[in-house]
Amino acid sequence: KAGVTQTPRYLIKTRGQQVTLSCSPISGHRSVSWYQQTPGQGLQFLFEYFSETQRNKGNFPGRFSGRQFSNSRSEMNVSTLELGDSALYLCASKLSAGGSYEQYFGPGTRLTVT
Amino acid sequence: AQTVTQSQPEMSVQEAETVTLSCTYDTSENNYYLFWYKQPPSRQMILVIRQEAYKQQNATENRFSVNFQKAAKSFSLKISDSQLGDTAMYFCAFPESNFGNEKLTFGTGTRLTIIP
Repeated sequence: KAGVTQTPRYLIKTRGQQVTLSCSPISGHRSVSWYQQTPGQGLQFLFEYFSETQRNKGNFPGRFSGRQFSNSRSEMNVSTLELGDSALYLCASKLSAGGSYEQYFGPGTRLTVT
Repeated sequence: AQTVTQSQPEMSVQEAETVTLSCTYDTSENNYYLFWYKQPPSRQMILVIRQEAYKQQNATENRFSVNFQKAAKSFSLKISDSQLGDTAMYFCAFPESNFGNEKLTFGTGTRLTIIP
């Protein structure tokens, strides 16, 4: 099976712009979660989607949003980019909702905001 | 709030030695899972090992094993016969429950370097 894929892998944007990141989960996986990884804050949970519904959301401003499609692919959007949004954005999929399932991570999208 | 604490930001050991990474967590739940994830340099995060809290037996996966102390809320990872490929960031993770929905909360990580 193909692993979790994320596109694009690298992105450079300027302040004030918006960006959309894409994640394709492992085939058959219905849950997709997004994380932000920075040297200062570490790994922080953004949100989780399951069956096209947001199940949980981390402590991020409303500029961060996401959605999931019927084929389980997910996108996250960040509007009005700030310098502090520069980070590695990781997507992870798992078979179903629930804390017992192993998450499989993608390679991440490295976002640089200038 | 539930937290996960890794008190060792960096560690280094000689190849073939044994190393233990520590992790403590805080929760009021009784049944839960704990995970150790590994993130090699410039590579994807992968699951190393998983522990179910209701199981008294410590989980093992080849050279990797855990010392799970439920009462102390401690979940350490032992790597035996360390290899160069074990060089990575290691994260302890706990599915924090929020009204029945879980979000994976990570510790700050331990950067492990295996010295040839």
